[in-house]
Amino acid sequence: SQQGEEDPQALSIQEGENATMNCSYKTSINNLQWYRQNSGRGLVHLILIRSNEREKHSGRLRVTLDTSKKSSSLLITASRAADTASYFCATDNQAGTALIFGKGTTLSVSS
Amino acid sequence: GAGVSQSPRYKVTKRGQDVTLRCDPISSHATLYWYQQALGQGPEFLTYFNYEAQPDKSGLPSDRFSAERPEGSISTLTIQRTEQRDSAMYRCASSLGGRKTQYFGPGTRLLVL
Repeated sequence: SQQGEEDPQALSIQEGENATMNCSYKTSINNLQWYRQNSGRGLVHLILIRSNEREKHSGRLRVTLDTSKKSSSLLITASRAADTASYFCATDNQAGTALIFGKGTTLSVSS
Repeated sequence: GAGVSQSPRYKVTKRGQDVTLRCDPISSHATLYWYQQALGQGPEFLTYFNYEAQPDKSGLPSDRFSAERPEGSISTLTIQRTEQRDSAMYRCASSLGGRKTQYFGPGTRLLVL
């Protein structure tokens, strides 16, 4: 079963625009991670936010976490065609022995 | 190594055949994970290893699935008597330990005809 649910399922934007993806989860967490999956490539770790953090930045990425609402958002600013990919949020299972992924948001950035 | 590698990248097999997938983790990583990813879905946990120990097999969908990591490094995932529903991307990841960032390989896409 999957813990996280990303929203929207698909997003199409123009280069230069910002893209926002949301993730909701069900149980308490230690941290939440975002991964990117390009067509034909593996999952690439983007950013990890701990449960006691509210916001984190990495380059053009900004992640927020609201543990009271059990939700997180990933903002990609000034998007590029190369950002076209599927984005997944993931949380640890209770034992901390595996990641539980959502279904992902497919982002298409056109030039 | 520089990253996690998996082989083969693609495997086509006939229903009923056995297949073995291989994962070569980052050399310093104690923990190795296997995930199954159906088309349009996120990866789902199958099993993991701490060195050669396999504490959790709870995600393996049936007893046709088994995994090994005999020397605590390279791991194999074997699916016996494959079925069409086994068609998926199989992803391997490794990490320094539990609750640490997992680094994924490129995956093996399995197609069972």
